[in-house]
Amino acid sequence: AQKITQTQPGMFVQEKEAVTLDCTYDTSDQSYGLFWYKQPSSGEMIFLIYQGSYDEQNATEGRYSLNFQKARKSANLVISASQLGDSAMYFCAMRERGSARQLTFGSGTQLTVLP
Amino acid sequence: SQTIHQWPATLVQPVGSPLSLECTVEGTSNPNLYWYRQAAGRGLQLLFYSVGIGQISSEVPQNLSASRPQDRQFILSSKKLLLSDSGFYLCAWSVADRASEKLFFGSGTQLSVL
Repeated sequence: AQKITQTQPGMFVQEKEAVTLDCTYDTSDQSYGLFWYKQPSSGEMIFLIYQGSYDEQNATEGRYSLNFQKARKSANLVISASQLGDSAMYFCAMRERGSARQLTFGSGTQLTVLP
Repeated sequence: SQTIHQWPATLVQPVGSPLSLECTVEGTSNPNLYWYRQAAGRGLQLLFYSVGIGQISSEVPQNLSASRPQDRQFILSSKKLLLSDSGFYLCAWSVADRASEKLFFGSGTQLSVL
């Protein structure tokens, strides 16, 4: 079974609007970390935001926030006030306590911000 | 601050030729090091990781090998490249193998095997 599922291969959003990128995960570990990375066309992977499984508050980093619903095993990324520079591939990833060396990635969502 | 360097950025190699990709980390000691591969339009697959000098673990059997000759140096190699080795290779490091530790990635190497 897929550990990380991103069901949106591509998304479009109007500049200055908010957008939600979906991510669901599968784990039997009680302790795990969830990450979002941005990959622009240049190829580098840029860390955006982290949510720990025991964190009660949703993580926020500037215009990025993570909508963490533990019971539903979802960790959606919300980007507020989209900018043209947000156009990129976005990956959801997970590290489980039982296999912490492995950062497992989803297949990604290509976000395009329209002017 | 910590930085990670990866080179070359682009590489075109014929089938059957050797490969050597290098990655170095600055500003930290005893990092955990990783090699990932990304096929076109897909997520990342962990190839190798290392928790110390000379300590290499392979996640998938394949035509590639890795070495860590120095604390902050990680090398990905092949004796004879296959067409299926084409892809985008990313080196990464983290402080430790904990679920809360994020990975920091290099800028990647686009390898085309022809």
